[in-house]
Amino acid sequence: DSGVTQTPKHLITATGQRVTLRCSPRSGDLSVYWYQQSLDQGLQFLIQYYNGEERAKGNILERFSAQQFPDLHSELNLSSLELGDSALYFCASSITSGREEQYFGPGTRLTVT
Amino acid sequence: AQKVTQAQTEISVVEKEDVTLDCVYETRDTTYYLFWYKQPPSGELVFLIRRNSFDEQNEISGRYSWNFQKSTSSFNFTITASQVVDSAVYFCALSEAQNYGQNFVFGPGTRLSVLP
Repeated sequence: DSGVTQTPKHLITATGQRVTLRCSPRSGDLSVYWYQQSLDQGLQFLIQYYNGEERAKGNILERFSAQQFPDLHSELNLSSLELGDSALYFCASSITSGREEQYFGPGTRLTVT
Repeated sequence: AQKVTQAQTEISVVEKEDVTLDCVYETRDTTYYLFWYKQPPSGELVFLIRRNSFDEQNEISGRYSWNFQKSTSSFNFTITASQVVDSAVYFCALSEAQNYGQNFVFGPGTRLSVLP
């Protein structure tokens, strides 16, 4: 158990809908990262937050947004969902900036039908 | 632009064999970090090692060892005396500074099957 929790574990929704994925980092970790893992795109970095502020952006679509709250949990919002958004979404956390070890959550499997 | 290549899509070995997983990266930055992660069949991602660009020392941790060579932009991973529990997908990753954070690029992964 990495100490990072993600909810829900599974999510099935229809095209055009909006969903929110939630992540709670390990106690004491200030950075949260979101990744998308799909068969065709592999593992892709989406975005990093540090202590509530966005710090780095990867291949995150404009339809996706994230935030980190004062209690350090983070949410990833996916809107106008398309079939291609079906993937495993991982959250990870680290103590500070991202140059150190990251601890990954179990992931949320999103299926868009 | 950053890029990580893992040319071996799948490798199959018999238990107790040694196996090396290749990783080649591209970056224009002089300061960067390299990582290896393991994803067993259960699906979680497990951190194995982190290396910064200024530390080319090889590292050994039990049956695992890593060879970092800046001259060839490679960060290869060797498992000695492989075991069935080593069966997993292994990802090599590169991170570079972006704003005040880090941008990460992962390779496509190498699926290792260790047969009994």
